[in-house]
Amino acid sequence: DAGITQSPRYKITETGRQVTLMCHQTWSHSYMFWYRQDLGHGLRLIYYSAAADITDKGEVPDGYVVSRSKTENFPLTLESATRSQTSVYFCASSDPGQGDGYTFGSGTRLTVV
Amino acid sequence: GEDVEQSLFLSVREGDSSVINCTYTDSSSTYLYWYKQEPGAGLQLLTYIFSNMDMKQDQRLTVLLNKKDKHLSLRIADTQTGDSAIYFCAEIPNQAGTALIFGKGTTLSVSS
Repeated sequence: DAGITQSPRYKITETGRQVTLMCHQTWSHSYMFWYRQDLGHGLRLIYYSAAADITDKGEVPDGYVVSRSKTENFPLTLESATRSQTSVYFCASSDPGQGDGYTFGSGTRLTVV
Repeated sequence: GEDVEQSLFLSVREGDSSVINCTYTDSSSTYLYWYKQEPGAGLQLLTYIFSNMDMKQDQRLTVLLNKKDKHLSLRIADTQTGDSAIYFCAEIPNQAGTALIFGKGTTLSVSS
């Protein structure tokens, strides 16, 4: 089906473990984004990508790594998970200049224990 | 830096109008957006307005834009219990490339 899908939907991991959140879109949008949502902070940008092999930091990139080897995939990796990374993570995609082109996935709820 | 500002809570009765206000940061932002998030769900684009417009109406939704004051508002007419959700104002400031910058969200509670 067309759209943007995130996996897993829910994840519990231990402090210090590496975990990867997946994001896949079927529109061939050039831009993709990762946000985290926390109570009291709204949504904050972690990383974004303008095209395959082009990524850039957002507001809160520390502790995260991204890659974009293919246009349709934009995985987010927590190299060594910490409790402060417990959050809901949203992936989004868009085409530049498209006013209505931002589409969000359903989110991944990550708990670090 | 400056933040996109929204009030955190709004409570209305079913059938009344709701007005959610937002102050954004960059007067040159081309598009301004309203997103809706229902409990446990992702963000859904509700409406957006192009910066050369003062107003946009879409069924029960009216967006007003005051560029001079960098103020954006969303009016929901005849508010229903199904409108209960978190509403986010968002912009794309020039310095952020094409990334949306969000306010913290306004929780709208509609009582019957």
